[in-house]
Amino acid sequence: NAGVMQNPRHLVRRRGQEARLRCSPMKGHSHVYWYRQLPEEGLKFMVYLQKENIIDESGMPKERFSAEFPKEGPSILRIQQVVRGDSAAYFCASSLTSDRGNSPLHFGNGTRLTVT
Amino acid sequence: DQQVKQNSPSLSVQEGRISILNCDYTNSMFDYFLWYKKYPAEGPTFLISISSIKDKNEDGRFTVFLNKSAKHLSLHIVPSQPGDSAVYFCAASDFISGNTPLVFGKGTRLSVIA
Repeated sequence: NAGVMQNPRHLVRRRGQEARLRCSPMKGHSHVYWYRQLPEEGLKFMVYLQKENIIDESGMPKERFSAEFPKEGPSILRIQQVVRGDSAAYFCASSLTSDRGNSPLHFGNGTRLTVT
Repeated sequence: DQQVKQNSPSLSVQEGRISILNCDYTNSMFDYFLWYKKYPAEGPTFLISISSIKDKNEDGRFTVFLNKSAKHLSLHIVPSQPGDSAVYFCAASDFISGNTPLVFGKGTRLSVIA
């Protein structure tokens, strides 16, 4: 499967724990985006990364959330000290270039985070 | 502040008929628009796009129409098939001036009834 791979598919955390969500982009893609979908809502942009660089984090909450896309390995979205309001589906997308006109985003199947 | 609005949460259409999904936007800087389709427990899948220099783009059974003056776009699916039953998201971007992140609407759930 050459698509965007996200794991785990489901993640349950107690309040105060840390959540780590992983995303491997499509082969050859070096642009990664994270989106969050709350129940009955659309997808909200969180962060855009290229290898080793955060390009746009305007959608990331200022505290507890961080993202990285190292030179080797998957992109990681990390949520520290999770709260119930963090419960959502988190989608990762990748693209070949930053040219949206020629390179639509390809999404993974998401990680559903549940905070109890 | 919802910049992309899909005012119909759901739509039911009979198989073989036309499905029309609507989307309105408020940001006049948006110049690139996309439709994504999403099945349960899967990620969104790109369907069709249109840039602001066009008013229509067609791909098989799917056609997107853009009315810039009204800040409105629509997705037409004809003929509708049961496999088209999914949630459809409209998305927009300020592509030319800033290549900004895609802004999504809340989605419209389409049910095609056999």
